[in-house]
Amino acid sequence: DTGVSQDPRHKITKRGQNVTFRCDPISEHNRLYWYRQTLGQGPEFLTYFQNEAQLEKSRLLSDRFSAERPKGSFSTLEIQRTEQGDSAMYLCASSPQSQLAKNIQYFGAGTRLSVL
Amino acid sequence: RKEVEQDPGPFNVPEGATVAFNCTYSNSASQSFFWYRQDCRKEPKLLMSVYSSGNEDGRFTAQLNRASQYISLLIRDSKLSDSATYLCAAPYSSASKIIFGSGTRLSIRP
Repeated sequence: DTGVSQDPRHKITKRGQNVTFRCDPISEHNRLYWYRQTLGQGPEFLTYFQNEAQLEKSRLLSDRFSAERPKGSFSTLEIQRTEQGDSAMYLCASSPQSQLAKNIQYFGAGTRLSVL
Repeated sequence: RKEVEQDPGPFNVPEGATVAFNCTYSNSASQSFFWYRQDCRKEPKLLMSVYSSGNEDGRFTAQLNRASQYISLLIRDSKLSDSATYLCAAPYSSASKIIFGSGTRLSIRP
């Protein structure tokens, strides 16, 4: 499978626990994006990377959220001290250099987080 | 005003009908626009991109109206398999960031 891969697909955690999600973009895609989606809403932008540099973070991203892309390939999104309001689908997308000016993004299947 | 706004629907139309959705955007400098399709509990998948006045792909036509700042999606001869949520997206201030609308739900009935 050469698409965007996300792991795990589902995560159930108790409030206050830390969780980490992983995203493997399409090979050679230099831009990687994280979104959050709740029921009945479109994906909300969280942050994006160009190679290993995190270039933009949404104001939605509280200090409990951190994302990394240390080698410019896969990325991780960590949520510390989870709250029930963090329950959502976390989507990762990547974009190739050749499509840079056109902003076409390809999405992974997402990680569904449930905070109890 | 939200950056990207869509009519949430749901649109419930019979198979074979023609249906159209509109999406308005606030950033007048946007140059590229996208329609994504999202099935229940699945990821969004790119349906069409629009860079000029419009784009057509089979039964699907997307049109851009820059003066009024909206894009539309027209589906002709609708199929049961067209039932999904259709998301509109447009670039925000930085060219690399796109903003999604809340989606329009479409249900095709036999």
